[in-house]
Parts: sequence; C-alpha cells; structure tokens
Amino acid sequence: GIQVEQSPPDLILQEGANSTLRCNFSDSVNNLQWFHQNPWGQLINLFYIPSGTKQNGRLSATTVATERYSLLYISSSQTTDSGVYFCAVQNRDDKIIFGKGTRLHILP
Amino acid sequence: DAGITQSPRHKVTETGTPVTLRCHQTENHRYMYWYRQDPGHGLRLIHYSYGVKDTDKGEVSDGYSVSRSKTEDFLLTLESATSSQTSVYFCAISGVGSSYEQYFGPGTRLTVT
Repeated sequence: GIQVEQSPPDLILQEGANSTLRCNFSDSVNNLQWFHQNPWGQLINLFYIPSGTKQNGRLSATTVATERYSLLYISSSQTTDSGVYFCAVQNRDDKIIFGKGTRLHILP
Repeated sequence: DAGITQSPRHKVTETGTPVTLRCHQTENHRYMYWYRQDPGHGLRLIHYSYGVKDTDKGEVSDGYSVSRSKTEDFLLTLESATSSQTSVYFCAISGVGSSYEQYFGPGTRLTVT
C-alpha cells in the first residue's frame, strides 16, 4: 500500500523561528490534509490541499502532486504551535493513510 | 466545530468484556471513520463507513466490528476487549458535497486491564 513519510520526526525551535515540515508519499493520491494535534490531544484541520499552495496566517502549505510531496511552513513560531503535525493522504481506493507525524516543540 | 461527539470520553474495562464506543455527528457527512492512536504508530484506520449500513475494513480491523444504522451514528464494538486494544480512539467525518476534508472528534481514551 501507499507509504507516507514525514520529516523530521522531531523539531525543537526557539519562539520566533521559521520551520518547514515535509510529507512524502509513494503513490498518486486523490487528497492530502495537514493536521495539528495539540498537547491536549485535539486534532485540528490545518489545510486540505491535494495540489497547489494555500496560506492561513502564519501557516502555509504546498503540495506538488506530480513529485509526491507536500510541505508545511510555519513562520514566526509561537509556543502554541507546539504539538504533533500529521500529514494524511487519500489513495485511489478512498482509504486515508496518516504519516507518523512531526513533533514540534517551541521554546519560549 | 464540525459537530462531532464521542462517548464515552474515558473508559476503563476488564479483559474479555464487550465495549461499544459511539460517534455522533450533526453535519450529515457521508463518510465516518474510526481510528486508533498509539505511541510510535500515529493514527491507524480501523473501519470506515461510506453510508448507512455500508462499511469497510481499515488496516487494523481485527477484533473490532462497526455498525451504522443511521447517518449520524457510527458505533465501534470490541466484542471481547484485550489489553492490546488499550488506546485512544478517534472518530472522523468527511464528505460534504465533493469535499473529502476530514474533521475529528475529541477522542475516547480506553484502558483494558
């Protein structure tokens, strides 16, 4: 089945820094989403982005479907950005597969 | 708020007992999903539903069954709970119009002793 790999697995940054999280997938996908799981366990939608670029405040995402990757950019990090970021893809059979996530820790 | 609730939010049960978790949505989404989340494994799909009485298996379906008799409710049943089923269980919904964007419930923490 399709493989979803996220990198880096862990990231520690100082408040105010910028970061780029990467999601690689091994086959063509119909859809791709980015989620943030906060320290309380809640999963929050960030982007629904099967292709192209989207921006929402300090966050933006780009998916290059032909090259099978997506990037999540976080600018001017805040401590509230801490948590785990997941990429999830939907394959041609409509199954949704999650990557193992990138754990981000923002230091004050 | 995507209008998803899960019940119970926390449960402790003994090995061998049956357990049913409920997911309820108020948004009329076509698709509903059950995931489990364990350290080191991320989120793994257990079962999903693409309509009333239409369900299919995910990657970790052994030991679980599901039912969807109404659009708004999706039940996950552990027929005989085992310690390996201790986990956090998330329900998700998607499928309004042509969008497959997923929204997650708050999760249920299940401990099997």
